[in-house]
Amino acid sequence: DAGITQSPRHKVTETGTPVTLRCHQTENHRYMYWYRQDPGHGLRLIHYSYGVKDTDKGEVSDGYSVSRSKTEDFLLTLESATSSQTSVYFCAISEGDSGTDTQYFGPGTRLTVL
Amino acid sequence: TQLLEQSPQFLSIQEGENLTVYCNSSSVFSSLQWYRQEPGEGPVLLVTVVTGGEVKKLKRLTFQFGDARKDSSLHITAAQPGDTGLYLCAGERERANSKLTFGKGITLSVRP
Repeated sequence: DAGITQSPRHKVTETGTPVTLRCHQTENHRYMYWYRQDPGHGLRLIHYSYGVKDTDKGEVSDGYSVSRSKTEDFLLTLESATSSQTSVYFCAISEGDSGTDTQYFGPGTRLTVL
Repeated sequence: TQLLEQSPQFLSIQEGENLTVYCNSSSVFSSLQWYRQEPGEGPVLLVTVVTGGEVKKLKRLTFQFGDARKDSSLHITAAQPGDTGLYLCAGERERANSKLTFGKGITLSVRP
């Protein structure tokens, strides 16, 4: 198994509060991704990183920010959580910059915003 | 509009049956991947196809990439309960710089 951990695994929070999810890898892979998975929508890319301090937006980035200060850690922040951000969040990593490279996924974080 | 359409959305079959599921698009992809996801876990890569017309086999699973690189199929021979899960296709559009677009997935249930 690829060395990817996500924390917390489950979180319940209230509307308007800030939330930070952490993804940690031990593989020294260059690329890291944050996705959300919702019924009827599949997996959608929020943000991704192609190196330390190098990040870019995905297709559903509004309301989210990310930071990558070290190769092994990629943080996803919801500045002010809303109920529409209730979802399962997955972190993924890949070694290279080609779409043929395998993306390895973490176990997911289930976030509920009340 | 979903870039990658997967069909059928749900499939429930008896152990031992064969099945084919599809991943279709009007766009061309430079590569396409199939993942399987089990409840409570992240997706796991099954295969990557790159060349139009390419066929890859993984035990009882056969994957095909369309000649025009716009679609793909997954055929399972003699399905087993262990094949149960969510099957996701994901494609990299040309010049997408490693970003994948995922379909909504196909939920497969294989009854013993």
